[in-house]
Amino acid sequence: EAGVTQSPTHLIKTRGQQATLRCSPISGHTSVYWYQQALGLGLQFLLWYDEGEERNRGNFPPRFSGRQFPNYSSELNVNALELDDSALYLCASSSYSGTGLSGYTFGSGTRLTVV
Amino acid sequence: AQSVTQLDSQVPVFEEAPVELRCNYSSSVSVYLFWYVQYPNQGLQLLLKYLSGSTLVKGINGFEAEFNKSQTSFHLRKPSVHISDTAEYFCAVSDTSGGSNYKLTFGKGTLLTVNP
Repeated sequence: EAGVTQSPTHLIKTRGQQATLRCSPISGHTSVYWYQQALGLGLQFLLWYDEGEERNRGNFPPRFSGRQFPNYSSELNVNALELDDSALYLCASSSYSGTGLSGYTFGSGTRLTVV
Repeated sequence: AQSVTQLDSQVPVFEEAPVELRCNYSSSVSVYLFWYVQYPNQGLQLLLKYLSGSTLVKGINGFEAEFNKSQTSFHLRKPSVHISDTAEYFCAVSDTSGGSNYKLTFGKGTLLTVNP
């Protein structure tokens, strides 16, 4: 079974540009979560998509946005990049039935560097 | 809303010594609890989880954790560590009520360094 795949693995952008990060969940998982892991700040929750809808959003400005496609893959877009956006962006997928959370399965992340 | 506190940012130990990584959480509702491990330049891997039932949970790689509701803790333990256990460990909590609360809140992580 393929795991959660993220692309690209590394991305270098200039301040002010836009970045697009992609995530493919495990087959059968309908939920996709995005986290930012910046140095010294731990994992900060960004966005949660399920069944094509945004279910929850963390405390990030609107220039962080995303979407989920009919095949449950997801994109994270970051507009007007700032130097502080440099971080490891992790995607995770999960399935749940409302009676329990199976836990997330994480991808290996996209390392975004803003110069 | 939940929060997680990992009391030690770094824990250095010698190989074959026991280790305990401490995690306390804050929540006004029932929770699910998780421990994840992150090796350098990789994503997070699930070590173990507590959803219900026995408060002692066994995970992969010889790790175990005990849920203590009265102390709101979920400490991770291993009786004898190996060099290969060197990694960052994250404790996480989720609300059990579902809906929009179904997201994991992570602690800031504990870097475990196992020395020969």
